[in-house]
Amino acid sequence: QQQVKQSPQSLIVQKGGISIINCAYENTAFDYFPWYQQFPGKGPALLIAIRPDVSEKKEGRFTISFNKSAKQFSLHIMDSQPGDSATYFCAASGQGGGATNKLIFGTGTLLAVQP
Amino acid sequence: KAGVTQTPRYLIKTRGQQVTLSCSPISGHRSVSWYQQTPGQGLQFLFEYFSETQRNKGNFPGRFSGRQFSNSRSEMNVSTLELGDSALYLCASSEDRPNTGELFFGEGSRLTVL
Repeated sequence: QQQVKQSPQSLIVQKGGISIINCAYENTAFDYFPWYQQFPGKGPALLIAIRPDVSEKKEGRFTISFNKSAKQFSLHIMDSQPGDSATYFCAASGQGGGATNKLIFGTGTLLAVQP
Repeated sequence: KAGVTQTPRYLIKTRGQQVTLSCSPISGHRSVSWYQQTPGQGLQFLFEYFSETQRNKGNFPGRFSGRQFSNSRSEMNVSTLELGDSALYLCASSEDRPNTGELFFGEGSRLTVL
């Protein structure tokens, strides 16, 4: 119940295309769903996040779609650019009570945007 | 503001040794978390500290320990190192807003166990 399942494991997209990464969770106590972006040699950095009371959140070219009933959420990268090439992690937090910043991460998606 | 600083960035140890990793959080952040990142297991939560108290702990053996000091700086220790402990150890700090997921990560300490 503590897992967050992420797919695909890797993704190749042409420049200007749409990149889509999907995640699913089981624990209904999760109430915060961030996406992190990691470049080689760097730590993960928060990209965008959403709470279950919102079905979609958009920030620039990045959009999170959230389906509470299906317990799924996805990241869409519009007009993908070579600079978006990185590893993307979905995550979830909120352990049903108690103060914590503990995140459960998905397994990551290696995105390559070809010029 | 300076980001999260981790030292050392790289280190090589042999089996059976112990290692201490250090983390300086962003100024004003009182919560520090540690994660282990490996190709096989991904990012796994080790522990979380707030105001010098361990607030949460992941499923790691007792060889993994940590602490937080009054200035919010944190250290983690791994004793009796095993080959499987080779990983990137990431420290993250955050403001005192639980369940927000807004963690700021350092660049990590890459540990190689021979």
